[in-house]
Amino acid sequence: AQSVSQHNHHVILSEAASLELGCNYSYGGTVNLFWYVQYPGQHLQLLLKYFSGDPLVKGIKGFEAEFIKSKFSFNLRKPSVQWSDTAEYFCAVSGFTDKLIFGTGTRLQVFP
Amino acid sequence: GAGVSQSPSNKVTEKGKDVELRCDPISGHTALYWYRQSLGQGLEFLIYFQGNSAPDKSGLPSDRFSAERTGGSVSTLTIQRTQQEDSAVYLCASSLAAGGSSYEQYFGPGTRLTVT
Repeated sequence: AQSVSQHNHHVILSEAASLELGCNYSYGGTVNLFWYVQYPGQHLQLLLKYFSGDPLVKGIKGFEAEFIKSKFSFNLRKPSVQWSDTAEYFCAVSGFTDKLIFGTGTRLQVFP
Repeated sequence: GAGVSQSPSNKVTEKGKDVELRCDPISGHTALYWYRQSLGQGLEFLIYFQGNSAPDKSGLPSDRFSAERTGGSVSTLTIQRTQQEDSAVYLCASSLAAGGSSYEQYFGPGTRLTVT
């Protein structure tokens, strides 16, 4: 069965610090990979996605993620976080049915 | 409106009552998904529709849960004889198509259900 693991449950950073959130998945076939973000009081929105091609994908607001097939990983990175990046981040995977399987989420708090 | 809309935004109900949650997808989106977000379980898939049919109902937690979609548009999720463990935020998403496609799912704001 598909599953997604996010090892960081709560991350606290100061502004301008670098960010890396881990995501590992388990799936036996071709996968599509996603990072979604949920800002306080707002609904889920897509940060970035990987379907095929260049394993380094760039998303909105300066985020990027790298798909490493051999490690079953899709870690999210940002070189310099801002206070406005405070949110909950969800890694997700889908297969041929397109239903999303989500990780448990990582709560990011950025302090000025 | 351009986005996915859901109603009601909040619903408080007594244990044992039935509830209906509504989702209006983005116009033209043929695929529609229901998820729920709860403290104990995180974000879980419930069911998805391609047009009016539901090829995957594998996430529905019990036979108290059902969903339908009419006219390839609006969908209703019904929970019968609600239990306290049904308390969660129910999210709807839609996309242009499904079935191995590369279309993004757009999420609605959710319905917060509280069963007392």
